Amino acid sequence: EDQVTQSPEALRLQEGESSSLNCSYTVSGLRGLFWYRQDPGKGPEFLFTLYSAGEEKEKERLKATLTKKESFLHITAPKPEDSATYLCAVQGSGAGNNRKLIWGLGTSLAVNP
Amino acid sequence: DAGVIQSPRHEVTEMGQEVTLRCKPISGHDYLFWYRQTMMRGLELLIYFNNNVPIDDSGMPEDRFSAKMPNASFSTLKIQPSEPRDSAVYFCASSSRYEQYFGPGTRLTVT
Repeated sequence: EDQVTQSPEALRLQEGESSSLNCSYTVSGLRGLFWYRQDPGKGPEFLFTLYSAGEEKEKERLKATLTKKESFLHITAPKPEDSATYLCAVQGSGAGNNRKLIWGLGTSLAVNP
Repeated sequence: DAGVIQSPRHEVTEMGQEVTLRCKPISGHDYLFWYRQTMMRGLELLIYFNNNVPIDDSGMPEDRFSAKMPNASFSTLKIQPSEPRDSAVYFCASSSRYEQYFGPGTRLTVT
């Protein structure tokens, strides 16, 4: 069964304290792994798509990496405005042009000034 | 682009009443998704459409839920009759490639 597990559930950092969020997945044929950011009261906001092991993508203080079993979202020198819930989702190859995503429960990140 | 538009943003209704949620996808996107989000279960896909045709409705919890997409710029999710356990945030998302773009959501409370 396709599954996504994110850890930790919650993380509290001091401003400038770098860390990583983990997304472990089990899927039959990875078509893509997606990272989203969700602020309270808002919809998830797309950050990155990773397609194959070894791929990396960066955006400001965020860097996403992918292996065959997990993905990491590295946050370098975070600021309070990086506080949010970070969601990971995977899309398996499945049948035909399946667009269904399997979602993790997210990591709630709080960055203290 | 205005992004995905959902209405209403908040809905409070009594058990047994009909609820209709509305979504306008991003222009040019040919996929539309309806999700439900709760603290316990996270994001759950209810149904998705491709070119206005329902492709996968396996996530629709029961016959009380129905969704339509009469044209490329409009979709509805209807719950009839509503129950307290339907209380959640409902999101609509659209895409043209693999990444999905979400609307602001409708917070539904059924008392």
